[in-house]
Amino acid sequence: QVQLVQSGPEVKKPGSSVKVSCKASGGTFSNYGIAWVRQAPGQGLEWVGGDLPLFGSPSYAQKFRGRVTITADESTNTGYMELSSLRYGDTAVYYCARPALRNTSDFDYWGQGTLVTVSS
Amino acid sequence: SFELIQPPSVSVSPGQTASITCSGDNLGNKYVAWYQQKPGQSPILVLYLDRKRPSGIPERFSGSNSGNTATLTIRGTQAMDEADFYCQAWDSTTGVFGGGTKLTVL
Repeated sequence: QVQLVQSGPEVKKPGSSVKVSCKASGGTFSNYGIAWVRQAPGQGLEWVGGDLPLFGSPSYAQKFRGRVTITADESTNTGYMELSSLRYGDTAVYYCARPALRNTSDFDYWGQGTLVTVSS
Repeated sequence: SFELIQPPSVSVSPGQTASITCSGDNLGNKYVAWYQQKPGQSPILVLYLDRKRPSGIPERFSGSNSGNTATLTIRGTQAMDEADFYCQAWDSTTGVFGGGTKLTVL
């Protein structure tokens, strides 16, 4: 069974950066891909970006382009999402997600979520 | 930009059928996935490719997608089905989620 285990909560100041990790057991991100979705307090799910083999290269939601980078370390089977120039509105739970099958784009596996709080 | 619109809330009596819609321009030409999320938990995939159920998802969950509307249908709704539901589709290589629908079983 695949498990995605994310790093712990973060508190960051406005203007700084945060890097959230997602370690997978079973299957590499190069084969299956990874996506990041966030959820602000009391709000719905919001697509941040992803790197799926199906699409060939990383893609990011328009509102995050230039501020977000999604990478993966194959040696440790860990994915990362780095978000820079943090604003108060970036306070949210950030989830990593992964498909069960190669070359698919439906997210069968999700991490437990990482709360990122932006506060001065 | 491509948007998916869901009703904020749907109510259903136990044992009855609940239908949650998701609307978007020519949505029928795309594949839709549905995710269920209970308070304090990570989302769970309940339908993909419009109507396919992952292993472990009860048969009472079904889906359709045509024209501008995709629909998640839950037959014989149970109290345990009370949750937020989100549709998701792809605008080229960018994921798009609907705003979510809170399903109340009362």
